[in-house]
Amino acid sequence: GENVEQHPSTLSVQEGDSAVIKCTYSDSASNYFPWYKQELGKRPQLIIDIRSNVGEKKDQRIAVTLNKTAKHFSLHITETQPEDSAVYFCAAGPLFSGGYNKLIFGAGTRLAVHP
Amino acid sequence: NAGVTQTPKFRVLKTGQSMTLLCAQDMNHEYMYWYRQDPGMGLRLIHYSVGEGTTAKGEVPDGYNVSRLKKQNFLLGLESAAPSQTSVYFCASTFTWDRGSNQPQHFGDGTRLSIL
Repeated sequence: GENVEQHPSTLSVQEGDSAVIKCTYSDSASNYFPWYKQELGKRPQLIIDIRSNVGEKKDQRIAVTLNKTAKHFSLHITETQPEDSAVYFCAAGPLFSGGYNKLIFGAGTRLAVHP
Repeated sequence: NAGVTQTPKFRVLKTGQSMTLLCAQDMNHEYMYWYRQDPGMGLRLIHYSVGEGTTAKGEVPDGYNVSRLKKQNFLLGLESAAPSQTSVYFCASTFTWDRGSNQPQHFGDGTRLSIL
């Protein structure tokens, strides 16, 4: 079945360094790739997403890259700050003939940014 | 505009008890979803609904039932709670599917459920 693998499961960086989280998906029909940030005890919140017709997207300190041939996509956070500490989830979204918007989530990466 | 609201926020049940989790959204979204989140396993889809009066099974539907009697509400029921259903439950909603274009899902704050 469909699967999304996310690495690493934990990531510790110093404030100001960059952080990279990588995801690999199995369903070649996937064409939508969102990233969610979840702070402790809070809801997952969308931080950036990318569609299959785009190879890279940036939003201030956050960027996402997509390689459809290799079926992997990555989240890049530059100039990390302590408030970036959270669990980050990637997801892949195939379209189905039934028309519903399905997302398969990775297991998450716990990012810790140390001052 | 409250977005997606879940009630209750916390609940402790005994094995065999039943309960209903309520999800309400005020964004006029067609699609609604129920997920469970367990440590190290991300979010797994339990059931979903593509519109009022329709529901369908997701990845892990066993032990749960759902209803979507009103467009803005999506209910998740546990008929006979089991310890394996201890989890954090999230509801989400999204805009009507536009052919060829997935849309972001908006999540509620979650319900932390413990089954003893």
